[in-house]
Amino acid sequence: EIVLTQSPGTLSLSPGERATLSCRASQSVSSNYLAWYQQKPGQAPRLIIYGASSRAAGIPDRFSGSGSGTDFTLIISRLDPEDFAVYYCQQYGGSTGTFGQGTKVEVK
Amino acid sequence: QITLKESGPTLVRPTQTLTLTCTFSDFSLSTSAVGVGWIRQPPGKALEWLGITYWDDSKRYSPSLKNRLTITRDTSKNQVVLTMTNMDPVDTATYYCAHTPLTFGDYFDYWGQGTLVTVSS
Repeated sequence: EIVLTQSPGTLSLSPGERATLSCRASQSVSSNYLAWYQQKPGQAPRLIIYGASSRAAGIPDRFSGSGSGTDFTLIISRLDPEDFAVYYCQQYGGSTGTFGQGTKVEVK
Repeated sequence: QITLKESGPTLVRPTQTLTLTCTFSDFSLSTSAVGVGWIRQPPGKALEWLGITYWDDSKRYSPSLKNRLTITRDTSKNQVVLTMTNMDPVDTATYYCAHTPLTFGDYFDYWGQGTLVTVSS
């Protein structure tokens, strides 16, 4: 089973700042099958990125994903007040899927 | 617009079996190359991938839970059912079902609202 480690655990930033979130896999993720989700309190997760770098439908272009192999990054270029939330990475290239433990992006 | 909704008991006693139903609309599990997965989230904790069923009735399960999990489907009712045996208080969580388009792999693009299941005597 592929283990995903996200860092940092919490990111304290101000609106308008750039957020850089990391997701590291314990082994190479096949075909870059890596997704990112955003979750706000009391809500279901929302797909942001799939295939490591493809934005999901309706996701603003301030969100971008990159990486390959074992190291992946989600960048939010300029934080909007609605972007403060918890972000999870998920790999789906292994024999089963797994999620990271999450990164909380909070208002500084 | 694809929608999914989970239903089932909100309270389960320890050692009992949990049965949750995911009812979906706007896609078919019998004719489309899609899948439906189950994910759970204990209060205040991270998401956990449980398992997935595909249009061809194949399934994959989390290795740590595979002995307790069964995912079945009723294509005539547009439903997928999750069964988890021998429930324990640590299984208290919000359980989600989600759709995967199987385009570039089985990520989840549509999610149900989730249902909170509490395991307690």
